[in-house]
Amino acid sequence: EADIYQTPRYLVIGTGKKITLECSQTMGHDKMYWYQQDPGMELHLIHYSYGVNSTEKGDLSSESTVSRIRTEHFPLTLESARPSHTSQYLCASSEADRADQPQHFGDGTRLSIL
Amino acid sequence: AQSVTQLGSHVSVSEGALVLLRCNYSSSVPPYLFWYVQYPNQGLQLLLKYTSAATLVKGINGFEAEFKKSETSFHLTKPSAHMSDAAEYFCAVSDGYSSASKIIFGSGTRLSIRP
Repeated sequence: EADIYQTPRYLVIGTGKKITLECSQTMGHDKMYWYQQDPGMELHLIHYSYGVNSTEKGDLSSESTVSRIRTEHFPLTLESARPSHTSQYLCASSEADRADQPQHFGDGTRLSIL
Repeated sequence: AQSVTQLGSHVSVSEGALVLLRCNYSSSVPPYLFWYVQYPNQGLQLLLKYTSAATLVKGINGFEAEFKKSETSFHLTKPSAHMSDAAEYFCAVSDGYSSASKIIFGSGTRLSIRP
């Protein structure tokens, strides 16, 4: 059973607000990822991390930023939310030392910007 | 670059019928392959993975997939569909063999089950 948690599950907020989406995992995984997924659509990698103090931009350009100060925590921040940021955001983690290890996903945060 | 193509964005089958979800990958070297399932309002769950140990891979919930190098395919099957199988299914491939590799996801196939 994967232990990766995302909060909040749902967020409706106005334009211009600063938002932080939380992601925590208790499996000790070094690799963590953030994906953006519109309803019924494919996943787009927006950020990833190989470990503490490591962050990289993914394949899809995003105005969000991430930090990795602790192994278990990988928050995503939007400094000024816009309606175009409305989407579902999925966090995942995996073991770092092998490419055949699957990713474990949280249940996602569904974000709506008014 | 590695990629996967899922044929059919939506597949509908009757309860009890065979489920076949198609996935083709682009590589001359067998990569690591995965199938994930996503139920509504949830994240993705691993169904099964191929890591070259066996070409027929059995997963959870009665699903299995067969790796065919000659066809660069990794189709997902289940002999008898159940209503609870209705979900979005994603095929995925590792983009390399090193620890720095990432997983590339297909565009997904929505499976509907008719009563």
